[in-house]
Amino acid sequence: EVQLVESGGGLVQPGRSLRLSCTASGFTFGDYAMSWVRQAPGKGLEWVGFIRSKAYGETTEYAASVKGRFTISRDDSKTIAYLQMNSLKTEDTAVYYCTRDRAPRELGTYAFWGQGTLVTVSS
Amino acid sequence: QSALTQPASVSGSPGQSITISCTGTSSDVGGYNYVSWYQQHPGKAPKLMIYDVSNRPSGVSARFSGSKSGNTASLTISGLQAEDEADYYCSSYTTSSTWVFGGGTKLTVL
Repeated sequence: EVQLVESGGGLVQPGRSLRLSCTASGFTFGDYAMSWVRQAPGKGLEWVGFIRSKAYGETTEYAASVKGRFTISRDDSKTIAYLQMNSLKTEDTAVYYCTRDRAPRELGTYAFWGQGTLVTVSS
Repeated sequence: QSALTQPASVSGSPGQSITISCTGTSSDVGGYNYVSWYQQHPGKAPKLMIYDVSNRPSGVSARFSGSKSGNTASLTISGLQAEDEADYYCSSYTTSSTWVFGGGTKLTVL
């Protein structure tokens, strides 16, 4: 059974940093790109970014709203994907979801989601 | 990258069919057959309903179908049921090698 478990959320002051983790199980982690999607309270889904698999160079792409502030990385040996968030703004307040595509080599077909972790940016 | 445009709300009676539109540009919806649709019930994570414009993942009811014409994609739900009441989001690949979601549509089953 595919499982994605996010952790690391919490309350953080504007301008500070936070690192989220997504611990995966139930599949060959290294075969898949891993993505992050967020949802501000009462709002819609917003794509944050993703990291390709090692076979595709572990390259990353980001939404314009987070580019230069957020970094996605992965540790295939630990089956964990990370979202490093720097220079946080109040508008980054959201539930952050880790997602996995339906099949290897697919992108944007988010068939598996974690339960989400809430990040609140406030002074 | 601006969010894709969806109607804020749609409604229908049980047994009826409804269609939710998702309008983008030639740089996203119109340029690629990489449109997905997600269903989200309150307090739950989204669920993939349609991928690559019109493909249904295993386990998703055949009452859900997707299509695309030009810069607009559509999700049709036939034989509306009470449990279909939820928020629906489209997403598309873009020329920037990124993805973008629609603003979401609240479906009410009357």
